[in-house]
Amino acid sequence: QSVLTQPPSVSAAPGQKVTISCSGSSSNIGNNYVSWYQQLPGTAPKLIIYENNKRPSGIPDRFSGSQSGTSATLGITGLQTGDEADYYCGTWDSSLSAGVFGGGTKLSVL
Amino acid sequence: QVQLVQSGSELKNPGASVKVSCKASGYTFTSYAIYWVRQAPGQGLEWMGWIDTNTKNPTYAQGFTGRFVFSLDTSVSTAYLQISSLKADDTAVYYCARYMSGNSAGYWGQGTLVTVSS
Repeated sequence: QSVLTQPPSVSAAPGQKVTISCSGSSSNIGNNYVSWYQQLPGTAPKLIIYENNKRPSGIPDRFSGSQSGTSATLGITGLQTGDEADYYCGTWDSSLSAGVFGGGTKLSVL
Repeated sequence: QVQLVQSGSELKNPGASVKVSCKASGYTFTSYAIYWVRQAPGQGLEWMGWIDTNTKNPTYAQGFTGRFVFSLDTSVSTAYLQISSLKADDTAVYYCARYMSGNSAGYWGQGTLVTVSS
């Protein structure tokens, strides 16, 4: 069971918007930056959001992140079939003194 | 550009040991920590710990103490993960990743599949 809670799956049509939630606690999301990772099938994870809402170079602005209290949200607009992937949130947990990930959310673009 | 290149897949018998390498390039190796992450077949990401590339001090997450060892050879900009007394449930893809700001893992190796089977 993961320290961070994500929905197992979300789906939306091409061109639409989707959000993926990540719920934690005061020892993790509530007091530490959240990152989001995209893992396309058969590939390594890729950082798409860091420090709650910043995008690394090369990540399109269709991807956004936000954080409020002990929860974080990844938003993806203008969905494309190439966005079909597993998405993971991650952060530091001050009580565990360890990094933690959510269980992952499978995005289907129908 | 920053690259992390890992060693190839391994097939090991139960009880054996394995050493996975992660060679970094494109930046000053000792300026950024290296994380290790495990992904069992069909499962999510699991943070194993990290190693300070400046002090060589490793930190292990719960569940990854004892049989797991992180090490470095800074002369060749390479990090290592050694697992001893391998068990079937160590079968997984092991990733190295480089620290980026905000405790994020900004750059990832391609992963190394370790299969433990007799």
